[in-house]
Amino acid sequence: EAGVTQFPSHSVIEKGQTVTLRCDPISGHDNLYWYRRVMGKEIKFLLHFVKESKQDESGMPNNRFLAERTGGTYSTLKVQPAELEDSGVYFCASSQEATSFRGYTFGSGTRLTVV
Amino acid sequence: EDQVTQSPEALRLQEGESSSLNCSYTVSGLRGLFWYRQDPGKGPEFLFTLYSAGEEKEKERLKATLTKKESFLHITAPKPEDSATYLCAVPNQAGTALIFGKGTTLSVSS
Repeated sequence: EAGVTQFPSHSVIEKGQTVTLRCDPISGHDNLYWYRRVMGKEIKFLLHFVKESKQDESGMPNNRFLAERTGGTYSTLKVQPAELEDSGVYFCASSQEATSFRGYTFGSGTRLTVV
Repeated sequence: EDQVTQSPEALRLQEGESSSLNCSYTVSGLRGLFWYRQDPGKGPEFLFTLYSAGEEKEKERLKATLTKKESFLHITAPKPEDSATYLCAVPNQAGTALIFGKGTTLSVSS
C-alpha cells in the first residue's frame, strides 16, 4: 500500500512569492489533515478535510493560506503571499476514520523556507 | 487550554543505558494518548495508544505507561537505531485533531 505522498520535499521561495504544496493521501482515505511545525515549536493542526469538504479549518493561521481538495483525492495548500514566519515543515496525514488517530498515516512533509 | 509538555527536550544515552521520557498533559476528557516516533526527514510514525490510567503497552525495547496526568515512555537497553524524536499527542476536545508536544530527541551512541 502506497503511503501518503507530499511534494515538493523542499521549497525555498522569496518573501511575497506564492507556493503550492501538494499531498496525495492513501487511496480510499476520506480524511485528510494538514499540520505544520515551525522551528522550535510543536506540530500544530491546520485543517481537516472529509472528502472534498473542509470539516475544520480552525488552525489555519490567516487568509494567506488556502487549502483545496477537489474531487476528494489529493489536496493542495497554497500560501500567497508567503511571509518569513511561514517557514517550517508542513505535514499531511490521512485516515479512514475521522477519530481514529491510531490510523493516521503521515507523509514525510514539505520543508518550506521563506527568505 | 489543552496542552502537552514533553521532557527532556533532548536525551543522550549510551547503548544499553535505560531511561524514560515524560509527557504531561492537561486536557478535559482524555480520549487517548498517542506516542509517535519521528526520524529525520520523515513524518511521525505511530507507536502506541493508551486510553486509561494504569494501562501499559510494549513494543521491543519500548514500554509506554499512563497515569491521570502524564505518560512515560521507558526505553530499556536502547540501541543506536532507537535514536529519533519521540512525540506525544492527545486529541483536542472536539476529537478532530491531535495536540502535540514538542518532542524529545533521543540520541543513543554505541
